Amino acid sequence: QTVVTQEPSFSVSPGGTVTLTCGLSSGSVSDTDYPSWYQQTPGQAPRTLIHSTKTRSSGVPDRFSGYILGNKAALTITGAQADDESDYYCMLYMGSGNWVFGGGTKLTVV
Amino acid sequence: EVQLVESGGGLVQPGGSLRLSCVASGLTFNGLTFSNYFMHWVRQVPGKGLVWVSRIFGDGSDTSFADSVKGRFTVSRDNAKNTVYLQMSSLRVEDTAVYYCVTGYPGYALGYWGQGTLVTVSS
Repeated sequence: QTVVTQEPSFSVSPGGTVTLTCGLSSGSVSDTDYPSWYQQTPGQAPRTLIHSTKTRSSGVPDRFSGYILGNKAALTITGAQADDESDYYCMLYMGSGNWVFGGGTKLTVV
Repeated sequence: EVQLVESGGGLVQPGGSLRLSCVASGLTFNGLTFSNYFMHWVRQVPGKGLVWVSRIFGDGSDTSFADSVKGRFTVSRDNAKNTVYLQMSSLRVEDTAVYYCVTGYPGYALGYWGQGTLVTVSS
């Protein structure tokens, strides 16, 4: 069974830049996996950040950017702010009407 | 403003059944209506990660499920009522989670999220 991998945790300084990644236990992530990214703060429903690898959802600031980095999907946050402290999930479309989330990355801004 | 409101969660015994509902509003822009949207269900054990559960086409003609719920859960929709349903049967303790109703989005993504409804399976 294919597993979608993410870093369990990451830390960034205020104003700094951080790159989170989303990989596959076997194989590479590409645009045809339609990687998407979601942000979730404690006690809240998730919010859609990025779809189709790099397209920002409405209202998402351009500090968030998505792309393919080597054999993984990546989410870069530039100029990190305190309210970026959240859990970030990637999701891949596996085909045949099936989707899989990564385990999530807990981002700390400190 | 898009709103998705889930209901139907609660406490159920192992082996029991429960039906979740999700009513959508505000999905009428750019010439689209509720019936134009895939609808998904995603669940999350409190303190754990997100898990995709199910998807239904806009016209209800096709459904898909995660292996963990296949054969036990069904999904349906009533486009006249802007409502999608998740019928859960043969419930297990490991089905305990917050269940989110989510719209589909371009590029096989998820779009608008409800606030979730908690399902607890326990004796």
